[in-house]
Amino acid sequence: KAGVTQTPRYLIKTRGQQVTLSCSPISGHRSVSWYQQTPGQGLQFLFEYFSETQRNKGNFPGRFSGRQFSNSRSEMNVSTLELGDSALYLCASRGTGGLNEQFFGPGTRLTVL
Amino acid sequence: AQSVTQLDSQVPVFEEAPVELRCNYSSSVSVYLFWYVQYPNQGLQLLLKYLSGSTLVKGINGFEAEFNKSQTSFHLRKPSVHISDTAEYFCAVIGGGSEKLVFGKGTKLTVNP
Repeated sequence: KAGVTQTPRYLIKTRGQQVTLSCSPISGHRSVSWYQQTPGQGLQFLFEYFSETQRNKGNFPGRFSGRQFSNSRSEMNVSTLELGDSALYLCASRGTGGLNEQFFGPGTRLTVL
Repeated sequence: AQSVTQLDSQVPVFEEAPVELRCNYSSSVSVYLFWYVQYPNQGLQLLLKYLSGSTLVKGINGFEAEFNKSQTSFHLRKPSVHISDTAEYFCAVIGGGSEKLVFGKGTKLTVNP
């Protein structure tokens, strides 16, 4: 099976712009979670989608949003970018049926100038 | 809310030496515990997990961890490290009715020749 894929791998934006990141989960996985990783804050949970519905949400401002499509692919959007949004954004997918391991993608490195 | 404390932010060791990376969690309910590894410019890879049963858990690449409920610890060990083990290691917890994976700040393991 192919792993979790994220596109693009690297992105450079300027303050005030918006950005959309994409995540394709492992085939058959219906749960997709997003995490932000920064040197200062570490790994922080953004949100989780399951069958096109947001199931859990972390403590991030409303500028951070996401969605999931019927094929389980997910997108994350950040509007009005700030310098502090520079981070590695990781996506993870999980199978159903009990507590299953989350499989992580390689991440998208976002730099805000 | 769950929290995870990784007591050492950096651990330097020599090749073939043993290593222990410490992790403590806070929870008053049953939890599931994980160790992930992150190599430079990559996503997270699961090393091992504790869900229930034997408190000694063996993972990939020769790593093992011991769950200690009374000390709320889940320390990661390897009897003999290799240069290729140089990476950042994250302890994570899930439980208490929440499906959010909560990570520690990470420990950077550097294996020197």
